[in-house]
Amino acid sequence: DVKVTQSSRYLVKRTGEKVFLECVQDMDHENMFWYRQDPGLGLRLIYFSYDVKMKEKGDIPEGYSVSREKKERFSLILESASTNQTSMYLCASSFRQRGYTFGSGTRLTVV
Amino acid sequence: RKEVEQDPGPFNVPEGATVAFNCTYSNSASQSFFWYRQDCRKEPKLLMSVYSSGNEDGRFTAQLNRASQYISLLIRDSKLSDSATYLCVVNRAAGNKLTFGGGTRVLVKP
Repeated sequence: DVKVTQSSRYLVKRTGEKVFLECVQDMDHENMFWYRQDPGLGLRLIYFSYDVKMKEKGDIPEGYSVSREKKERFSLILESASTNQTSMYLCASSFRQRGYTFGSGTRLTVV
Repeated sequence: RKEVEQDPGPFNVPEGATVAFNCTYSNSASQSFFWYRQDCRKEPKLLMSVYSSGNEDGRFTAQLNRASQYISLLIRDSKLSDSATYLCVVNRAAGNKLTFGGGTRVLVKP
């Protein structure tokens, strides 16, 4: 089974802090994605990557950046955390056009 | 109009009954369709892909209607463990990005 591992299950950060969310997958998938999930808004795509060092903006990239230096690792960076970035963050990976496998999520609270 | 729309529910279902619900999508060029299941405070998990000819996996049946741009999920002989939110997922025409519906909540009661 593909495993997608997110480094933290729960995080509490202060407003203005730089926050790093890490995601690692172990099945050599080319595609990796970062979503956030909020009540009433569903899952929204922040950034995605089809290959190493490649990244593309999703639907809500503002306030975020990403890094993919190795195929298995895709990091989401909150440059200066704000309270409206309090959310559940989900990383996913996929092979070609097959369905995604998600990590277990990171629940981030910005105070 | 949202790209993928679902009735949020909840659908209250007696144990053992059959429940069915639909999802509509707006992009006629979409190629791949999936149903995911999400339990409370957990990540979504792939339930099944949806093929043009329709497909079945145990008690679950998925159908695709391209002409009317909707997919459906039917659950037979509902179990208490089927209680979850079911997410309709459609790929965008370009690339491997998937768009998620808001989910349909199903509650199976004894």
